[in-house]
Amino acid sequence: GAVVSQHPSWVICKSGTSVKIECRSLDFQATTMFWYRQFPKQSLMLMATSNEGSKATYEQGVEKDKFLINHASLTLSTLTVTSAHPEDSSFYICSARDVSGAYNEQFFGPGTRLTVL
Amino acid sequence: KQEVTQIPAALSVPEGENLVLNCSFTDSAIYNLQWFRQDPGKGLTSLLLIQSSQREQTSGRLNASLDKSSGRSTLYIAASQPGDSATYLCAVRGFQKLVFGTGTRLLVSP
Repeated sequence: GAVVSQHPSWVICKSGTSVKIECRSLDFQATTMFWYRQFPKQSLMLMATSNEGSKATYEQGVEKDKFLINHASLTLSTLTVTSAHPEDSSFYICSARDVSGAYNEQFFGPGTRLTVL
Repeated sequence: KQEVTQIPAALSVPEGENLVLNCSFTDSAIYNLQWFRQDPGKGLTSLLLIQSSQREQTSGRLNASLDKSSGRSTLYIAASQPGDSATYLCAVRGFQKLVFGTGTRLLVSP
């Protein structure tokens, strides 16, 4: 299957700082990418849908000014957690949809563990 | 709003047993359904994808079925092994979004 990478795999930061997470589709072009967060022992919750060249669509309850998403190219989307606080500590997973594939399948990155002190 | 539920939430079995994980969804208007595996602290590994027009998919010891009209899917794991221990997630794709279930934590003991 297609490969999606995330960087960094983990990050620890101080409260009030901003953190950027990158998501790349390595061997396919992704017009649409998705950002999820997952709290311990819970399922994945969709935060936002990112479309190349346009503004992201955020799910209800997700602050767009806090979680900045940029999808500047067909292979790269970034999530910036601004003014991070301890409650933002979570596992963030991105996904990219391969529209050229037979099944329009979504492929997932390995995740980024964010810890805010 | 699509809601996806998985039963049981946790399952512990001895090695070698055949087992069934269940997934139910409230809105039958879906494009496809996927089963994923997630190891602790890791991302998702796609196991099987079933299109809405399909009834089942098989990969090795795994078999997934889909009954769209009743809003149900099952994942059958044959001859379970300790390496199968993980959380199993089903996810249903509607018009745009993939909605995840609550997950089943599986422990296969030697």
